[in-house]
Formats: sequence, C-alpha cells, structure tokens
Amino acid sequence: QVQLQESGPGLVKPSQTLSLTCTVSGGSISSADYYWSWIRQPPGKGLEWIGYIYYSGSTYYNPSLKSRVTISVDTSKNQFSLKLSSVTAADTAVYYCARSDLIKGGFDYWGQGTLVTVSS
Amino acid sequence: QSVLTQPPSVSGAPGQRVTFSCTGSSSNIGAGYDVHWYQQLPGIAPKLLIYANSNRPSGVPDRFSGSKSGTSASLAISGLQAEDEADYYCQSYDISLSGSVFGTGTKVTVL
Repeated sequence: QVQLQESGPGLVKPSQTLSLTCTVSGGSISSADYYWSWIRQPPGKGLEWIGYIYYSGSTYYNPSLKSRVTISVDTSKNQFSLKLSSVTAADTAVYYCARSDLIKGGFDYWGQGTLVTVSS
Repeated sequence: QSVLTQPPSVSGAPGQRVTFSCTGSSSNIGAGYDVHWYQQLPGIAPKLLIYANSNRPSGVPDRFSGSKSGTSASLAISGLQAEDEADYYCQSYDISLSGSVFGTGTKVTVL
C-alpha cells in the first residue's frame, strides 16, 4: 500500500520561503508510471494544483505560481520537495502531496495534508 | 483560478439520486482530456472517486457513476446515504495552462 507523508514547518513568516517534503513509502518514486504532485487548499476553499515532478526531474508548474515554485525529487530517499518563495498570507493553506497515475489519470494516493500558516 | 465550474451545493433525501455537473471549455474537457472526481470528507484528504470519466477505483461503491459529454462532465450518486455528505471536486488537464485544474467544488448535503 502506497503511503505519502508531508513534513515541514507549520508556520512561515511573510516574505520567507515555505519548504515541505513528501516521503513516499510502499512504492518507488523512480517508477516511470507516475507523476508526483503538490496540491494546496486554503481554509474553507477549493483545491489548487501547484505542480508536479517526474522521477527524471522534469517539472510542470501552475502558471500562477511558477515564478515562486520549485519542486525537486530525491530518488535515493524516495522523497520529493516543494519550495514556495516570497510567501504572503494568501499562501496559508493545507498542502497535500499526491501521486498521479499516468495510465489511469487522476491523483490516486494523497498524503494526509499539512497546514502551513503564513504569519509574523 | 478554477477553470472548471461546479454548482456550489446540491442536496437530496436518503435513497434519492443526485447529479451535478462540471463545466469546462475547449481547452480542457472539450479538448478530450479525461475528467476525474474526488470526494473530500471534512478535515480529510480528497479521495479519488472516479477516474477517466467513468471508472471506479477498487472499493468505490457502484452508487457513484461519472459521465462526460462535450465540454462538461457529471457525477451521479444513487441511493444517497448519510455518509455521502461531503465536498466533491472534478479535475482535468488544461492545455492552455499546461497543467491540472480542479473544479470549484460541490457540497452534497443529505437531508
């Protein structure tokens, strides 16, 4: 059973960089069959796709966040990471990591999510 | 920045059938990209409910069904149960954004 677990600070100051890591267990992040994604959900609002990465390191970002987002992968640790720079209160959200199946489509496995609050 | 539009809420009595839509455009659903549906219970991560328009992952009851036509997709829940009360999101790929997009979300209330 594949499991994803987000980790990182729950509080980030405005203008600083938000950094989160997703650890994948029960499956290899190096599989050619999946993309690995970050998705966020502001309190009381809907879901927003941030971006995804392939095991090779190829990345695809939401154009609205592209200038501030970096997603990277560490295949040796079976982890992928998110960095979001110059954060503001609008970046306060529950951040989820998720797996996307290239064949079936959709995000089939999700982490439990981690709340990141941007506040001084 | 959702480009997929859903009705904010729908409701139904236990046992009834409810359906709701996910409306996109020629750059996403209308371009032939698959639609996927998620169920999100309060305080919990979304769960894949329907993939590739009409397919159910293992373990999802057959009360849930999906369809797609033109620039829209629909999710139907038959035999509505109290445990179906949740938020539901559609998701597809948008060629103009070169990435995934989610719907605005629909809250299903069981009366």
